[in-house]
Amino acid sequence: SQTIHQWPATLVQPVGSPLSLECTVEGTSNPNLYWYRQAAGRGLQLLFYSVGIGQISSEVPQNLSASRPQDRQFILSSKKLLLSDSGFYLCAWSVPGGGEKLFFGSGTQLSVL
Amino acid sequence: RKEVEQDPGPFNVPEGATVAFNCTYSNSASQSFFWYRQDCRKEPKLLMSVYSSGNEDGRFTAQLNRASQYISLLIRDSKLSDSATYLCVVNGLNTGGFKTIFGAGTRLFVKA
Repeated sequence: SQTIHQWPATLVQPVGSPLSLECTVEGTSNPNLYWYRQAAGRGLQLLFYSVGIGQISSEVPQNLSASRPQDRQFILSSKKLLLSDSGFYLCAWSVPGGGEKLFFGSGTQLSVL
Repeated sequence: RKEVEQDPGPFNVPEGATVAFNCTYSNSASQSFFWYRQDCRKEPKLLMSVYSSGNEDGRFTAQLNRASQYISLLIRDSKLSDSATYLCVVNGLNTGGFKTIFGAGTRLFVKA
């Protein structure tokens, strides 16, 4: 069966510090991968998605970036965090052509202070 | 107009009650529809897909009305454990390509 791992679960970082969140998927090949952010009390905002290794699409301009160095690994990064980067970050995967049912990792609660 | 709109609630209902949520979407080319459940500080989890013919999973019934562009979720015999936020999700083609759009969610509190 397929599983998705995301870490860390919580993170407190000072403004201006770098960020690296990692997500890995097991039990499937060539998944579509996604990074979402959810601000407190708000809906999910798609940040990046990837249909293959090295293929990244960005949905919103920001100081975040994403990379997919391996088929089942998706990394969210920032060189310098802003206060506005605080939020609940969720990695997700879907089967290509599978009607876009998304399966989420357990999320990372990021607080930028 | 938002692409996917939901009443944020909260809906406060007693155990055993029947409660219904609606969700409207703006893109008539939308192709697939889902309801997700999200507990506080947790990830969303797929609850059920929504089909034009309507579909049922235990106490949960989902319905799609393409003509009016809304989907609904009915929960019968509410349990305390049903307390959560319910997210409406719509997939379809738009000017930017294939998109998955999440509603902001409807909060449900089931009370003893």
